Amino acid sequence: DAGITQSPRHKVTETGTPVTLRCHQTENHRYMYWYRQDPGHGLRLIHYSYGVKDTDKGEVSDGYSVSRSKTEDFLLTLESATSSQTSVYFCAISEGWRGQIQLGASGLEETQYFGPGTRLLVL
Amino acid sequence: GNSVTQMEGPVTLSEEAFLTINCTYTATGYPSLFWYVQYPGEGLQLLLKATKADDKGSNKGFEATYRKETTSFHLEKGSVQVSDSAVYFCALRDYGQNFVFGPGTRLSVLP
Repeated sequence: DAGITQSPRHKVTETGTPVTLRCHQTENHRYMYWYRQDPGHGLRLIHYSYGVKDTDKGEVSDGYSVSRSKTEDFLLTLESATSSQTSVYFCAISEGWRGQIQLGASGLEETQYFGPGTRLLVL
Repeated sequence: GNSVTQMEGPVTLSEEAFLTINCTYTATGYPSLFWYVQYPGEGLQLLLKATKADDKGSNKGFEATYRKETTSFHLEKGSVQVSDSAVYFCALRDYGQNFVFGPGTRLSVLP
């Protein structure tokens, strides 16, 4: 199993409070992702990182920010939590991406590997 | 944009029945295709993948073939077990950074 941990695993908070979720990897993979999983929507990408201090927005980034100061850690922050952010949050990592492989970069794995998830309830 | 469509279920089968979960996709170019499985209370685990047309991915008795002509990647298993009860996600990755996931199909296998 890929070495990915998420903390906390469960959290209950109140509307308007800040929340930070942590993803930690021991694989030294360059790419890290945050998803949320909601019934009927599958997984939706919130933000991703393609290196230390390099991040970009995903499909559902409003209300979320991220930071990556070290290769192994990727933080997701809800600045002011709302009930609509009640969800299960998954972190994922990958070594490479398909474009790199198509360009002949060998030895890179494009598969994403997922952490165990964080269940967040905003009251 | 890219998208993945799959039957949402739930799919309920008896043990040893044949399983098919349909997955079709829309994408430019030649994406890689994946099936992930999520057991209750856990994260997603890679089940199998295929990176080019006509490739067959297989693992744990599950198979899926990359069909470019029908833009499909249907998941099959000849004889399901109770332990296969889970949610199955079809996904693609194109030349960009990101994955696109289907909504997931919940499978329940009864003894």
